[in-house]
Amino acid sequence: QVQLVESGGGVVQPGGSLRLSCAASGFTFNTYGMHWVRQAPGKGLEWMAYISFDGGYDFYADSVKGRFTISRDNSKSTQFLQMNSLRHEDTAVYYCAKDNTGWACDFWGQGTLVTVSS
Amino acid sequence: QSALTQPASVSGSPGQSITISCTGTSSDVGNSNLVSWYQHHPGTAPKLMVYEGSKRPSGVSNRFSGSKSGNTASLTISGLQAEDEADYYCCSFAASSWVFGGGTKLTVL
Repeated sequence: QVQLVESGGGVVQPGGSLRLSCAASGFTFNTYGMHWVRQAPGKGLEWMAYISFDGGYDFYADSVKGRFTISRDNSKSTQFLQMNSLRHEDTAVYYCAKDNTGWACDFWGQGTLVTVSS
Repeated sequence: QSALTQPASVSGSPGQSITISCTGTSSDVGNSNLVSWYQHHPGTAPKLMVYEGSKRPSGVSNRFSGSKSGNTASLTISGLQAEDEADYYCCSFAASSWVFGGGTKLTVL
């Protein structure tokens, strides 16, 4: 069965950096695009970034463009989210999700909490 | 990338039907069949319920159905059950980005 396990969350100071990982299993990782989606405390879901199956192209939400970078290592069935210049408003649970090739997220991880606080 | 507009809450009794609306613009919902709907029980992973506007993933009950008219997409849940109580989000893909709705809390009375 499909499994997505996020890691790397924690507490970081404003202006700091953090790298999230998402280990995938149960499907042919190198044939599917992947997403990162977050949920701030008490707020709704917010799409962050997408990377194509081969890493050839990526898309970002305006709120993180230039600060966050999505990447993947198909040899390790893992995707990453490098987060720089973190702000208080980046505090959220970050979910890794698999694209179903219909531009929807058909499987999600349990999420990892990122807290930006001084 | 403005969030799609959903009602903050809807409610219904067991066995009834409810519809959750999702209003966007001609640049997203109105210009795309790529609307998806997610069910989210707090503290768990979101679950895909509808994709490409009206398609259901394998394993999703046929009580859940999606539709679209103009700039508004809708999710209808028929035969409400207690376990349907959750937050529901719509999402639209357009112009190299995805945008979610603000979410709707469904209460089963």
